[in-house]
This record gives sequence, C-alpha cells and structure tokens, in this order.
Amino acid sequence: ETGVTQTPRHLVMGMTNKKSLKCEQHLGHNAMYWYKQSAKKPLELMFVYSLEERVENNSVPSRFSPECPNSSHLFLHLHTLQPEDSALYLCASSQDVQGGDTEAFFGQGTRLTVV
Amino acid sequence: DQQVKQNSPSLSVQEGRISILNCDYTNSMFDYFLWYKKYPAEGPTFLISISSIKDKNEDGRFTVFLNKSAKHLSLHIVPSQPGDSAVYFCAATGPGAFNKFYFGSGTKLNVKP
Repeated sequence: ETGVTQTPRHLVMGMTNKKSLKCEQHLGHNAMYWYKQSAKKPLELMFVYSLEERVENNSVPSRFSPECPNSSHLFLHLHTLQPEDSALYLCASSQDVQGGDTEAFFGQGTRLTVV
Repeated sequence: DQQVKQNSPSLSVQEGRISILNCDYTNSMFDYFLWYKKYPAEGPTFLISISSIKDKNEDGRFTVFLNKSAKHLSLHIVPSQPGDSAVYFCAATGPGAFNKFYFGSGTKLNVKP
C-alpha cells in the first residue's frame, strides 16, 4: 500500500468534458494538497485542505474545483479545461498543515492530457 | 517569482563517484528543507531533510548540507548507483499558518554504470 493513491493514472479529455481526479490517503493525515507539475517547471501548489476545510487556494482558475468530503479523500473536478492545463497532477498529504518540519507524502500522480 | 531554484536541469556521473545536486533559495524565512526523488511515472518520494538549525544531515549514502548565509543547500550521494538515476527536487518551507512547500524545478541525475 503506497499510502497516497491517485486515480486514474492517465486521463485524456476534451475541452468540453467534465472529469474528476481522485486521491485517497491511508496515513491518518489531516492535510491534503493538490499540486500541478508542468514540464520543466517547479511543482505548483493548487489547493490545501486541512481537516476537510479548504485553507488555501493559489489563484487557481475556477475550471478546477476541489472537493474534500473527509480527511482521507480529495477530489479535483475538472470542466472546460484548456490544452495548457495538460500536466501531471499530484496529490499529497501531511500530518498537519501548520508547522514547518512536516514532510509531504505524494501519490503517483495523474497524467492529464487535454485535447 | 521562484523562491527555490535548481539551476542544473541535468547531471551525469559515473557509478561509484559522488553526485552533488545544488539548490538555492531566496526567502530567508525558510527553516526546513527537503529533497524528493522522483522516478518516471511516479510521484515524488521523500528522501532527506534538514532543519535550519543544522548545517548537515546524513542518512546512509545521502548527505544534505545547508549554508544559510549563502541560502544554498546541496545533496551529496556517495557512492552513486545506477538506481539513483531519477529527478531530484529540492523543497523548502517555513513558519506560518500553512505548511506550504516551495519546490525547485528538479535536476535529472543519470548515474552511468
């Protein structure tokens, strides 16, 4: 068991489609994150959830809509995406949101291609 | 504005030699630094970390050095092995309300047999 599991691993969608990415963590962590990794760019933090409440939204376009129904599950709902949204989307979790000395555990990512 | 930078996109070393991966940061408030390793088609996995109260942390073949005055850290791998070939990300975080991780763009390490 990897600890943080993401599905699907690969997704191809048209610009008019609606799809969702799923993340599940089995580590008992209180914080979950969505990151975007584009080619040759730093990982970009998109959303932070702490105890199922969104605590940070890094100016992400509204075509990305997160949902955290409980502390173990995190979704990223996608609609009317653009080709430039094609990237690797990584979910992560950590014990808590506050504090500096906490490492994040990452899922394997969803490779998204928007056509 | 990129607060964590890895200026070398790639590095190639011979098996058994030392690999040195570098990372620079601009925010003096950062107080905890991490290295992640990423294989193709997998998410990054935590490798080693260092708190700003230290200047060195060692774990087996991996050692991280922190130079706060230069805002520079480095990861040393000795001896390098072909299985170490991956992309290495430097990350930093600091005190505050949110445990936000700032990542570099990564350095691709290739260890040649």
